[in-house]
Amino acid sequence: GAGVSQSPRYKVAKRGQDVALRCDPISGHVSLFWYQQALGQGPEFLTYFQNEAQLDKSGLPSDRFFAERPEGSVSTLKIQRTQQEDSAVYLCASSLERGSAYEQYFGPGTRLTVT
Amino acid sequence: GNSVTQMEGPVTLSEEAFLTINCTYTATGYPSLFWYVQYPGEGLQLLLKATKADDKGSNKGFEATYRKETTSFHLEKGSVQVSDSAVYFCALSDRNFGNEKLTFGTGTRLTIIP
Repeated sequence: GAGVSQSPRYKVAKRGQDVALRCDPISGHVSLFWYQQALGQGPEFLTYFQNEAQLDKSGLPSDRFFAERPEGSVSTLKIQRTQQEDSAVYLCASSLERGSAYEQYFGPGTRLTVT
Repeated sequence: GNSVTQMEGPVTLSEEAFLTINCTYTATGYPSLFWYVQYPGEGLQLLLKATKADDKGSNKGFEATYRKETTSFHLEKGSVQVSDSAVYFCALSDRNFGNEKLTFGTGTRLTIIP
């Protein structure tokens, strides 16, 4: 079946531009996570949705970052006024239910480069 | 807070060698532990997991045992293959926080030479 998909796969933005990154989770998956992975580092948690409810946004680095999942399926991560330090791979993951017994399935990521 | 420390790479081994990648963790609660793998050009995928102390996760010849007394979850494989070349990430999920966000280590790049 289809896995988690993300678009675009690559994005180059000039400093100060706004960007929107899309995540299509596996159909029926309740939980959705966004992570940020800097070069040579492990992914770091940004935010978590259970259906359409954003239950944890403690990892968002600044108020320039905003995420939504209005219908409990597709999610969008928006970054306003991009800065060079926002350059990273943004990963989306979904899981069937709440609970650490449920595997998180990761998408291929969106590589954002801010010039 | 929670953190994961794993063996720094890169690690280069010959085919059929024994592999150990060390991983230790700090957690405020009682975490579940994971190894994720990222093959070249592919996304992160779960390799194995363990949810309670003394559990052993295993998959594709890899094993890791949840050691609460030493707060460790070392990854081992008895005989590596060229196809095992990838980046390996140790991670934890602390169920006490009400969601299952993963805390990752920095990753260990493994290269197997024939």
